[in-house]
Amino acid sequence: DGGITQSPKYLFRKEGQNVTLSCEQNLNHDAMYWYRQDPGQGLRLIYYSQIVNDFQKGDIAEGYSVSREKKESFPLTVTSAQKNPTAFYLCASSITLTGIDSPLHFGNGTRLTVT
Amino acid sequence: GQQLNQSPQSMFIQEGEDVSMNCTSSSIFNTWLWYKQEPGEGPVLLIALYKAGELTSNGRLTAQFGITRKDSFLNISASIPSDVGIYFCASGYGGATNKLIFGTGTLLAVQP
Repeated sequence: DGGITQSPKYLFRKEGQNVTLSCEQNLNHDAMYWYRQDPGQGLRLIYYSQIVNDFQKGDIAEGYSVSREKKESFPLTVTSAQKNPTAFYLCASSITLTGIDSPLHFGNGTRLTVT
Repeated sequence: GQQLNQSPQSMFIQEGEDVSMNCTSSSIFNTWLWYKQEPGEGPVLLIALYKAGELTSNGRLTAQFGITRKDSFLNISASIPSDVGIYFCASGYGGATNKLIFGTGTLLAVQP
């Protein structure tokens, strides 16, 4: 079955450490995204990528970095510069970036807790 | 910035009741999507709407893209316990990207 795999499901880190969240998709989608979800809030876009080796900042990119070296992989690094990193992180993909008939498909998320 | 106002914030209903929730915006969009998220999981797409006035059903779910392109509603008929979750609307403002704006969600609890 095709889908989006995020790992790990739960991640604990000490303040001041960088941490990388994994996202892999086998849907052959060109576009990939990272969203952050906080309790009682809608999803907020961190970064997105249209194609390999290309990515753009979303609405809340500060303190995060990404790479897109392979079509199926879009890892997110939460750096020590992110002031409030504890959150639920969701990776998504879509067939293309452009085109309104290309809805997002989400992974099952990684819950990051930084203490 | 642009935002979606989703209501109600939460609903607590009895099994078998019908449910209605909606999203409104001050901006015009050309896509409305409805997602459901269960605890600890990612959102799952329920219904996608691409045309003003469009009315689409998916089983017991019905959603409509408002004629003004600034709102959408989702109805669930004859609710069952597994309908429990958070329902999000999302909308696209087109242009060169497929970036979406998400509503704050409606928490639905169904009592058997």
